[in-house]
Amino acid sequence: DIQMTQSPSSLSASVGDRVTITCRASQSIRRYLNWYQQKPGKAPKLLIYAASSLQSGVPSRFSGSGSGTDFTLTINSLQPEDYATYYCQQSFNTPWTFGQGTKVEIK
Amino acid sequence: EVQLVQSGAEVRKPGESLRISCKGSGYSFTTYWINWVRQMPGKGLEWMGRIDPSDSYTDYSPSFQGHVTISADKSISTAYLQWSSLKASDTAMYYCARLSTAADMDFDYWGQGTLVTVSS
Repeated sequence: DIQMTQSPSSLSASVGDRVTITCRASQSIRRYLNWYQQKPGKAPKLLIYAASSLQSGVPSRFSGSGSGTDFTLTINSLQPEDYATYYCQQSFNTPWTFGQGTKVEIK
Repeated sequence: EVQLVQSGAEVRKPGESLRISCKGSGYSFTTYWINWVRQMPGKGLEWMGRIDPSDSYTDYSPSFQGHVTISADKSISTAYLQWSSLKASDTAMYYCARLSTAADMDFDYWGQGTLVTVSS
């Protein structure tokens, strides 16, 4: 199985900050990398697919980059509604696997 | 509007059987694979397996193979996740999610989740 490792596991940031979350795959997954946001008690929501494509309806302050084994999710100008847990997920091959999550908390 | 609506919360005893459901609407149900994802209390997301509703072909994660069964009834646009003998460790939230396309392979729509509690 492909292992996905996110860092950090949690972070504290203020409204307006720029936040960067990284995700590393245990082998090359080309650009088969997706990012999800999950708020407490809610289902995950797709933010970014294919490493850098913004899902329809997702604010442009969210962006993704990377290829191969190293990927980044960036949130420019963090908003109150962005406090959540973020997961990366590889879709290169099955079993599809997720990172352990990064919890973004209010500073 | 695309929607995946899951069945309600369930409480069972160890050893009992259970089937939960996920009904799709607002799109062609047979065009998109349906996936099941587990989230244990306070933990992350785990992909369990998927089904092609057009022909009921399934693909399981080795971690779940043999312990759960995924099925679908395309006539009523519904996918199922089934256990024949539950364990306490099956206590979790279970989500169904639609696979967007064969090219992108992301989960673009999710059900609201079904909480399964297994306790004696």
